[in-house]
Amino acid sequence: DSGVTQTPKHLITATGQRVTLRCSPRSGDLSVYWYQQSLDQGLQFLIQYYNGEERAKGNILERFSAQQFPDLHSELNLSSLELGDSALYFCASSVEGGKNEQFFGPGTRLTVL
Amino acid sequence: GQSLEQPSEVTAVEGAIVQINCTYQTSGFYGLSWYQQHDGGAPTFLSYNALDGLEETGRFSSFLSRSDSYGYLLLQELQMKDSASYFCAVREITSGGSYIPTFGRGTSLIVHP
Repeated sequence: DSGVTQTPKHLITATGQRVTLRCSPRSGDLSVYWYQQSLDQGLQFLIQYYNGEERAKGNILERFSAQQFPDLHSELNLSSLELGDSALYFCASSVEGGKNEQFFGPGTRLTVL
Repeated sequence: GQSLEQPSEVTAVEGAIVQINCTYQTSGFYGLSWYQQHDGGAPTFLSYNALDGLEETGRFSSFLSRSDSYGYLLLQELQMKDSASYFCAVREITSGGSYIPTFGRGTSLIVHP
């Protein structure tokens, strides 16, 4: 157990819909990262927040957005969903600096039908 | 820009030693990490190299040569439970001073009895 929690574990929805994925980082970690992992693909970095502020942005689509709240939990919003958005979405948290070891949550499996 | 190259698949027998290579091209470098991911599971951190040389952690070792933009993960005394995907990852420094985590596409390690 990494200490990072993600909800829901599974999500099935239809094209055009909007969903929200939730992540709670490890206690004390200020950084939260979001990744997308499609079948047979590596982890694609989407976005990072640090202590409530956006820190770094990867190849995140304009239809996707995220935020980190004062209690440090984070939400990833995916809108106008397409079939190709079906993937595993991971959240990770870390203490910045040093090894920058990231602790990953169990992921949310999103299926768009 | 950046890229990470690692073999897509490696097979070995129980008890053997296997090496998974990773080459990278980055526009700034801040360490090479390795993560393990079992099917359907979350990635877990294995090791981190910021400087040249070998880092050993139990049965796993990781090596880095910054001059060659090359690293490898060495797994000794292979066990069946080591069958998983292994990802190398780098942190790139952007012109804006933020760090972008980038993962390779992963190497699927299959351990046979």
